[in-house]
Parts: sequence; structure tokens; C-alpha cells
Amino acid sequence: EAGVAQSPRYKIIEKRQSVAFWCNPISGHATLYWYQQILGQGPKLLIQFQNNGVVDDSQLPKDRFSAERLKGVDSTLKIQPAKLEDSAVYLCASSSAGGTEAFFGQGTRLTVV
Amino acid sequence: ILNVEQSPQSLHVQEGDSTNFTCSFPSSNFYALHWYRWETAKSPEALFVMTLNGDEKKKGRISATLNTKEGYSYLYIKGSQPEDSATYLCAPSTGGFKTIFGAGTRLFVKA
Repeated sequence: EAGVAQSPRYKIIEKRQSVAFWCNPISGHATLYWYQQILGQGPKLLIQFQNNGVVDDSQLPKDRFSAERLKGVDSTLKIQPAKLEDSAVYLCASSSAGGTEAFFGQGTRLTVV
Repeated sequence: ILNVEQSPQSLHVQEGDSTNFTCSFPSSNFYALHWYRWETAKSPEALFVMTLNGDEKKKGRISATLNTKEGYSYLYIKGSQPEDSATYLCAPSTGGFKTIFGAGTRLFVKA
């Protein structure tokens, strides 16, 4: 089966610019996660969707980050405006249900300069 | 689950050495624990999932144990090989299906 697809793989932007990441989960997976992994730290959950509803977005900086999963399949994560500290790998993962094994995409490495 | 701690942060071993890592987590409202292996430039991949107190899982030279009462899990690698070099992530989940990742243990195996 096809894995979790993410794009782009790499992105370099200047601070205060906007950026968007895209994720296509494994077919049939109801749960989709966006994680932020800053160098030297473990992945931090930004937002968890169950189908097209938000289960947890408590650690999403809502003043600049937004995410949607309109049809319960693909998802986009947006940062507007970006700050230097947003430089990280953004991982998308999906699972058949919350708390079960998550399958990860290859991530988008964002560098904000 | 408020805090997941993994130790050590990093580990350098020689090929053939055996090693182990620790994952500590609050034991209340525990649902499951996953160990993931994350190689550089690749996606994290699940190694094990454990749910019951006393669970032991094994895959080749890698094994893991779980103690849900005291809130810890150990990952063991027997006879480390250079290809074992990776970051090992521990990820416990609560009954509310929230999963929190530890910061990981970075293993470097020198040939």
C-alpha cells in the first residue's frame, strides 16, 4: 500500500513569509497528525484530526499556524507569518485510529532565514 | 500523559556491544506504548507496540519490555551493528488516544 505522502520535502523561506505543507495519508486512515520536530527534540504534536474534525490542537500556535482537513483525507498545514524558531521538520502521520501505530511521511524540512 | 523522558539522550557504542535505553512516562490512564526507529533522512518506523504490564516483544536482536505500574519501558539491542545507528523514539498513548513522543535516544554504532 502507498505510504503517507508529504510535499514539499524541503522549503527555505524568509521570516514573515508564508508557507504551506501538504499531506496525503494512507487510504482509509481516519486519524491524521501533524508533528513539529525541532533539532535535538522529539516530535511535538501540533494537531490531530479524526476524519475532518480536530481532536487536539492544544499545542498549535494558533496566531500563526493553521491546519485543515476539509474532506477528511488530505491535509494542509500553514504558517503565516513564519518566524526563525519555526525552522524544523514537519511530519505528517496517519493511523487507522487514535493511539494505534502511526505511519509517517518523510517530512518537510523548513528553514526560516 | 504530561511528560515522557528518554535516557540517555545519546549513546556511542562499538560494533558488537549490547545496549539498552529507558523510557519513563506517567502510569495513569495508560493505553499503549510504541517504540519507533528513526534513521536520518527517513520516516520513523514502528518497532513494537505494547499494551499489557509485563509485555515483552522481540524482533531479531532488538527487544523491549513494559512496566505500566511504575511507568517505564526498556529497549535492548544485542550485538549492535552500524546499521542500528538511529534515533529510537518512545511514544506512550493515553486512554484518550493522545500520543506523546519522547525526545529520543540517538544511537551511534562504530564499526
